[in-house]
Amino acid sequence: EVQLVESGGGLVQPGGSLRLSCAASAFTFSNYWMSWVRQAPGKGLEWVANIKPDGGERYYVDSMKGRFTISRDNAKNSLYLQLNNLRVEDTAVYYCARVWVAAVDSWGQGTLVTVSS
Amino acid sequence: QSALTQPASVSGSPGQSITISCTGTSSDVGGYNYVSWYQQHPGKVPKLMIYDVSNRPSGVSNRFSGSKSGNTAFLTISGLQAEDEADYHCSSFTSSSVVVFGGGTRLTVL
Repeated sequence: EVQLVESGGGLVQPGGSLRLSCAASAFTFSNYWMSWVRQAPGKGLEWVANIKPDGGERYYVDSMKGRFTISRDNAKNSLYLQLNNLRVEDTAVYYCARVWVAAVDSWGQGTLVTVSS
Repeated sequence: QSALTQPASVSGSPGQSITISCTGTSSDVGGYNYVSWYQQHPGKVPKLMIYDVSNRPSGVSNRFSGSKSGNTAFLTISGLQAEDEADYHCSSFTSSSVVVFGGGTRLTVL
């Protein structure tokens, strides 16, 4: 069974940084586009970014360009999201997601990022 | 990359059918056959119910169906059951090579 396990969330002050990680297992990680999707408390889902299987292409939602960086290490079956210059409105559960034909067919359990002073 | 538009809530009685709409633009829903639908129960992880407008992943009930007309996609649930009560989110691939979600629709089974 596909497993995606996120880590790295926590409480951070506005303007601070965090690095989220996602450990993937039970599938050939290097064959799939991967993504980060977030969900603010009581709100809908929001796509953050996606990355090509070889890491050669990365795409971001406009509102997060320049602050967030998605990356991957296929040798370690791991996906990452660097979050910089965090704002209160970035508070959300961040999900690691496996992408298949522009749909998310597997989700991690999520890691909570709370931005507050 | 504006969010797709979904009704905030819909409701139906057991056994009835309901349809949830998801409206975008020619740069997302209308331009690609990459519309997906997700079911999310409170406190749970979303589950893929429909992909590529109308395809069901293995294991998803055939009571769930998807369609599209122009810039609007639809999710229809027939034979409503109590367990269908959940939030439903649509998404579409966009011309920016990212995916955009709708705001979500709360389905209440009366």
